[in-house]
Amino acid sequence: EADIYQTPRYLVIGTGKKITLECSQTMGHDKMYWYQQDPGMELHLIHYSYGVNSTEKGDLSSESTVSRIRTEHFPLTLESARPSHTSQYLCASKRGGYTEAFFGQGTRLTVV
Amino acid sequence: KQEVTQIPAALSVPEGENLVLNCSFTDSAIYNLQWFRQDPGKGLTSLLLIQSSQREQTSGRLNASLDKSSGRSTLYIAASQPGDSATYLCAAYTDKLIFGTGTRLQVFP
Repeated sequence: EADIYQTPRYLVIGTGKKITLECSQTMGHDKMYWYQQDPGMELHLIHYSYGVNSTEKGDLSSESTVSRIRTEHFPLTLESARPSHTSQYLCASKRGGYTEAFFGQGTRLTVV
Repeated sequence: KQEVTQIPAALSVPEGENLVLNCSFTDSAIYNLQWFRQDPGKGLTSLLLIQSSQREQTSGRLNASLDKSSGRSTLYIAASQPGDSATYLCAAYTDKLIFGTGTRLQVFP
């Protein structure tokens, strides 16, 4: 059973608002990832972390930022939301090496 | 830069058929390859994980194979059912987990 949680599941917010999407895991995994997925489209890696105080940008440029102050927590922040940020955001975690990755249920963000 | 491609992009078959979904990756220095299922509007469910030293893994009606040297993995679904309808994604792990473009499967009764 995967213990990785994302909140909120759904969010509708106005343009210009600051938002933080939460991702938490209780498995002690070092590696965590954020993906962006538009409806019917592929997953794009936007941020990842190898552990506490480690953050890297992914292959898709994103205006969001992340932090990793605690092992279990990897929040994603948009300082000023725009309609182009409307998408589904998926969080994942895994141990290093040859192990399985687990995903949260996702946050569906709509910016109006 | 790792690139992962899946073919076919979409597949529609009658119930009971055996299916083959293909995944190819450009960087063979992977730790493992993982297959996922995604239902519309939902998150990802892990189906099978193949470590780089393995050649195949089986779970129920699913069998996944891995040929690292040629950069290919195959997901075989036996005796397909309408409940198998979903998008199937493969992901290759080096230091990052990179996803393929997905195969959208529809199995009709």
